[in-house]
Amino acid sequence: QSALTQPPSASGSPGQSVTISCTGTRNDIGGYNFVSWYQQHLGKAPKVMIYEVSKRPSGVPDRFSGSKSGNTASLTVSGLQAEDEADYYCCSYAGNSLVFGGGTKLTVL
Amino acid sequence: EVHLVESGGGLVKPGGSLRLSCETSGFTFNKAWMTWVRQAPGKGLEWVGRLRPKTEGGATDYAAPVKGRFIISGDDSKNTLYLQMNNLKTEDTARYYCTTYNSGYCIDWGQGTLVTVSS
Repeated sequence: QSALTQPPSASGSPGQSVTISCTGTRNDIGGYNFVSWYQQHLGKAPKVMIYEVSKRPSGVPDRFSGSKSGNTASLTVSGLQAEDEADYYCCSYAGNSLVFGGGTKLTVL
Repeated sequence: EVHLVESGGGLVKPGGSLRLSCETSGFTFNKAWMTWVRQAPGKGLEWVGRLRPKTEGGATDYAAPVKGRFIISGDDSKNTLYLQMNNLKTEDTARYYCTTYNSGYCIDWGQGTLVTVSS
């Protein structure tokens, strides 16, 4: 199972919106509505921000949103804040396995 | 509140074995799906495998790079998840996280334990 494809970096100024893409295949993203996104600050454990494509766990700000079209999923962070600077990973169910993206480093300028 | 605490990491030579533990609390372990995810130094996340609860058959699934070498198990009496790693390779060097799992995503994460495979 190949890793999902994410851009290595993304950036935006405080208050702006940024969208991170995640491209897979019909065997993962395109085949299931089980896409999740994780935020990882340096030296910390990952934290789930979005699950089942667009659902937010309790406590995650509504500035974070997810969507999917075909084999590509997206994470949008609106109203960027300094604390949003982190690595973001997408993940998809792929039939008895999970596959992660390579990660995107989000920089808040 | 869910707590996951991994232990058992360390330095091991190529070809060696190591068993990681993940002590859990704050949820009903014998009904939970659990996974292991690893992260090589400076690299991204990689799914290792998952364990279904015994109440749902107790089967396991593994990623291709570890299948046949790693074994995931659980002890319901100790609320503990294990990862037995055999025939370790240098590319298995990573921080290993245990997570709770549901509906295709990893819910709660421990802080991880570092495994270094080197001669």
